[in-house]
Order: sequence, then structure tokens, then C-alpha cells
Amino acid sequence: LAKTTQPISMDSYEGQEVNITCSHNNIATNDYITWYQQFPSQGPRFIIQGYKTKVTNEVASLFIPADRKSSTLSLPRVSLSDTAVYYCLVGDPRGSTLGRLYFGRGTQLTVWP
Amino acid sequence: DSGVTQTPKHLITATGQRVTLRCSPRSGDLSVYWYQQSLDQGLQFLIQYYNGEERAKGNILERFSAQQFPDLHSELNLSSLELGDSALYFCASSVQGSGSSYNEQFFGPGTRLTVL
Repeated sequence: LAKTTQPISMDSYEGQEVNITCSHNNIATNDYITWYQQFPSQGPRFIIQGYKTKVTNEVASLFIPADRKSSTLSLPRVSLSDTAVYYCLVGDPRGSTLGRLYFGRGTQLTVWP
Repeated sequence: DSGVTQTPKHLITATGQRVTLRCSPRSGDLSVYWYQQSLDQGLQFLIQYYNGEERAKGNILERFSAQQFPDLHSELNLSSLELGDSALYFCASSVQGSGSSYNEQFFGPGTRLTVL
């Protein structure tokens, strides 16, 4: 499984756009990039998944450059409730790992008023 | 609410004991996954079941075992408990086990295990 590297922590203020970048230099051809969000004492929650270029949903955007060695999760206009740990995961949900997820330490995002 | 339920919510026991954690997946989901989250190890994948069969193993200790029943609920059995087994145990479920490029996992609220 491709190893991922992301910042340990980030700070932002309410209303700002936050970009969290994840490095995955050893990403394989069949790997997808998935981001999860976790609040304290709760299970992680799926945010977004992509393979290449840009994916956008109602809560976030995911930017993936052509070489796919990194990805950026973009959260527009964050609020205090976006304070959480964000995990970047890379893997092939169809392959031998059969969908199991490997979480790193994630990025602790703290949003200040 | 993810639709995944876990019981009990909290469990306090002593070293050397055995406990069983229970998980009910979302309606229609065939895959169940178990994860352990501790302060020093982070969130770690333990094991996956798909439609009653074991599909993938992660960092699961030999003292731990799991199974998925015909009604698709799953149990995680932890035996000969040690202090270091104290952690949050999450269950997740998804529709697919394989063959799909999209595999969102839905996590339950977790069981907090404290071993004294």
C-alpha cells in the first residue's frame, strides 16, 4: 500500500479556505485517493474520493495533479465545526486489499473564531 | 448517524479477561471491518469480513478473533486482555467487498474498552 505523508497539524480561522496536502509518491496505477474526517471519540466519516484531476462534492474538493504523487483536500469557508482530524488514504478498493483502509496519523485541523 | 451500530458503548474489564464486541452493519452492507484506535498507535485496521467470510487481515493479534454471522452482524472477541488493549474499537461496513472502484466505509460510534 502506498504510504502517505501529510502535515501533523494546521490552523485556520472561520471563513477561510483550507488546503491540506497529502504526498503519496508510491501511488500505484489502480490506487484511488480517499479522505476521511474524524471528530473526537467518533468514527471516521468519508469526505471525498478521487482518481485524477478534480473532484467536488457538497463539502469539499479534491485536486489531484497529473502525476498523482500528491493530492490536496480543499475545504471552502471553514467553520468551527470543521475542527477535526483529516486522513488521506491511498489504495485500490478493488484489489487484494479488498477495501481495507490504512490510516496514518492524519492532520489535526483547528479552526479558530 | 452512519447506520452502523456497536455495543456496548463502554466496557471496563480486568487483565486476563475475555470480552466480545458486537457490530451491526448498515442494512444491505455485506462487508464489515474492525479497527482499533489507541493514542500511541492511531487508527489501525484489524480484519475484514465479506458476506460471512474473512477477506483481509491487518494488525490483529492472535488473542483476537472475529466472525460474521449469517445475518451479517459481526463480533470481535478479545481474550487474555492486557493493559495495552485499552482503546476505541470501531466497526465499519460497506456495500462491496471487492470488484468496485468505490468503497465508502461507514463507521459506527465505537466501543471504548478499558482494561484495568
